[in-house]
Amino acid sequence: SQQGEEDPQALSIQEGENATMNCSYKTSINNLQWYRQNSGRGLVHLILIRSNEREKHSGRLRVTLDTSKKSSSLLITASRAADTASYFCATDSMDSSYKLIFGSGTRLLVRP
Amino acid sequence: KAGVTQTPRYLIKTRGQQVTLSCSPISGHRSVSWYQQTPGQGLQFLFEYFSETQRNKGNFPGRFSGRQFSNSRSEMNVSTLELGDSALYLCASGPTEQGNTEAFFGQGTRLTVV
Repeated sequence: SQQGEEDPQALSIQEGENATMNCSYKTSINNLQWYRQNSGRGLVHLILIRSNEREKHSGRLRVTLDTSKKSSSLLITASRAADTASYFCATDSMDSSYKLIFGSGTRLLVRP
Repeated sequence: KAGVTQTPRYLIKTRGQQVTLSCSPISGHRSVSWYQQTPGQGLQFLFEYFSETQRNKGNFPGRFSGRQFSNSRSEMNVSTLELGDSALYLCASGPTEQGNTEAFFGQGTRLTVV
């Protein structure tokens, strides 16, 4: 079963605008990760934030984590057409394994 | 360093047949996980292997099985295929013994059951 929901399910913006995606999860976590998937291909890792961190940046990406609300957000600034993809959050399973529990994903379309 | 390699990329099988998918992790990685992705259920964890041992298992029927070899390459097998097994199967490798870092995914094998 999936960990939680992502919001919105789909997002369409103009190139240059910012895109914000939200993720909610249900159980305690050690870390939360964001992945990107282009058109039914493999997943590309974007960023990992640990449960004791509140915010993390990587290039045009900014991730926040609120463990009290069991939620995270991914902000992509100055979006480009190449950012068009599906974005998934994934939480770990609190054991010493690589089992990831994925959200339902947000489909982002960046219009040129 | 080569990435995670999954073969074949595409596969068409008939109901009732069995199928074997292969995954070669990044060199040095000892963890291999498998996921099923469908439009209806999203991304779901199948199982994880570490050093040839199944370390974790998702909620899938016994028709889904896997194994890992001493060189860390992994295979998953699905027997008695059903139409609902049509999906993108993704494999991921992990660099540490504890799953507290990013996982690296392959391009997937798209299985179509007719």
